[in-house]
Amino acid sequence: QVQLQQWGAGLLKPSETLSLTCAVHGGSFSAYYWTWIRQPPGKGLEWIGEINHRGSTNYNPSLKSRVTISVDTSKSQISLNLSSVTAADTAVYYCVRRMFSGYDQSHFDYWGQGTLVTVSS
Amino acid sequence: DIQMTQSPSSLSASVGDRVTITCRASQSISIYLNWYQQRPGKAPMLLIYAASNLQSAVPSRFSGSGSGTDFTLTISNLQPEDFATYYCQHSYSTPYTFGQGTKLDIK
Repeated sequence: QVQLQQWGAGLLKPSETLSLTCAVHGGSFSAYYWTWIRQPPGKGLEWIGEINHRGSTNYNPSLKSRVTISVDTSKSQISLNLSSVTAADTAVYYCVRRMFSGYDQSHFDYWGQGTLVTVSS
Repeated sequence: DIQMTQSPSSLSASVGDRVTITCRASQSISIYLNWYQQRPGKAPMLLIYAASNLQSAVPSRFSGSGSGTDFTLTISNLQPEDFATYYCQHSYSTPYTFGQGTKLDIK
């Protein structure tokens, strides 16, 4: 059974850097893209970006200038850094596995528990 | 970016009802469309992938259809645990985007 365990600071001040880490337990680490998705309170879901075991990344252009996603394959972990946060970055952040199906498409099949990050002065 | 628009934004129904939620993409995305259910305080859960494929362990009362720009999620014989928010999501190209959600509540 695949489990994604995530952790990181839950309260930040404006201009600080958000840092979250996600550890993958069970299953293959190298066969997937590992993704960060966020959800502001009471709102919808936003894809932040992703990384594979080789370190190949894709980022949402709306956040690209502030986002860095990294990987530590020795620990089966990925990390998210989001710089210069503002109140608009307040959200639950999810670590998610992107699975490829046999139809040459993909979907998000395993989700972490979510981490609420609040940005407030 | 590909925009995903769901309708309705909210929906009231009763246990045993059949409901349909629609998702429209701003351009053709073939069958690169997934559906998720989110209960309050929980992470989303995959229901349907590639437009019409039921994820393992998801009850068969959930079904999906469509291709191109128009897709539907149908829930038959609504159960109490089905009252939740539903999201569509495309996987055609990055950035992957979600619909705004459809909240299904008890009438």
